[in-house]
Amino acid sequence: SQQGEEDPQALSIQEGENATMNCSYKTSINNLQWYRQNSGRGLVHLILIRSNEREKHSGRLRVTLDTSKKSSSLLITASRAADTASYFCATGRSYNTDKLIFGTGTRLQVFP
Amino acid sequence: KAGVTQTPRYLIKTRGQQVTLSCSPISGHRSVSWYQQTPGQGLQFLFEYFSETQRNKGNFPGRFSGRQFSNSRSEMNVSTLELGDSALYLCASSSPILRDGASYEQYFGPGTRLTVT
Repeated sequence: SQQGEEDPQALSIQEGENATMNCSYKTSINNLQWYRQNSGRGLVHLILIRSNEREKHSGRLRVTLDTSKKSSSLLITASRAADTASYFCATGRSYNTDKLIFGTGTRLQVFP
Repeated sequence: KAGVTQTPRYLIKTRGQQVTLSCSPISGHRSVSWYQQTPGQGLQFLFEYFSETQRNKGNFPGRFSGRQFSNSRSEMNVSTLELGDSALYLCASSSPILRDGASYEQYFGPGTRLTVT
């Protein structure tokens, strides 16, 4: 079963607006990653935040991590139509394994 | 550098048959993981291979198996196919370079879409 729950399940916004997605997980982690998936294709890695980090930026992406609440958020600023995709959080829990536990995903639609 | 490649991209099989899917990781990557994605269950971890050894296995029946070759290429096999095995099967590889014990970002292939009729 999946560990993470994402909220909202779906989000529709206009170009230029910000999009915020939230992820909650259940057990201790050593990192949390966000991935994007376009229309049933492969996943693209966006950003990784380690358990001892609280915030990370990459271009228009901002990720926060609150290990006390077992939650993370992904903020996409100044959204573009090309950002339309499904976004998944994934947690890495153990050393010496690449196994990821994925969340349920958020479907983002950005209207031009 | 070429990305992760998966073959075939699309496959239609009949219940009871078996299928083999192939994954070629990014050059230099030694870790390969497999995931199953379905609308109902989402993304589920199948197994992980590192240096030809299965390092981790998800909660799937024994009909699902895999292996990794000395060149890091990996195959997964599903025997006695069931309708519920219809899914997008994703392969991912990662680099052990700079590994400090934590897992690193995964590079995913485009997936193999398997339809069981």
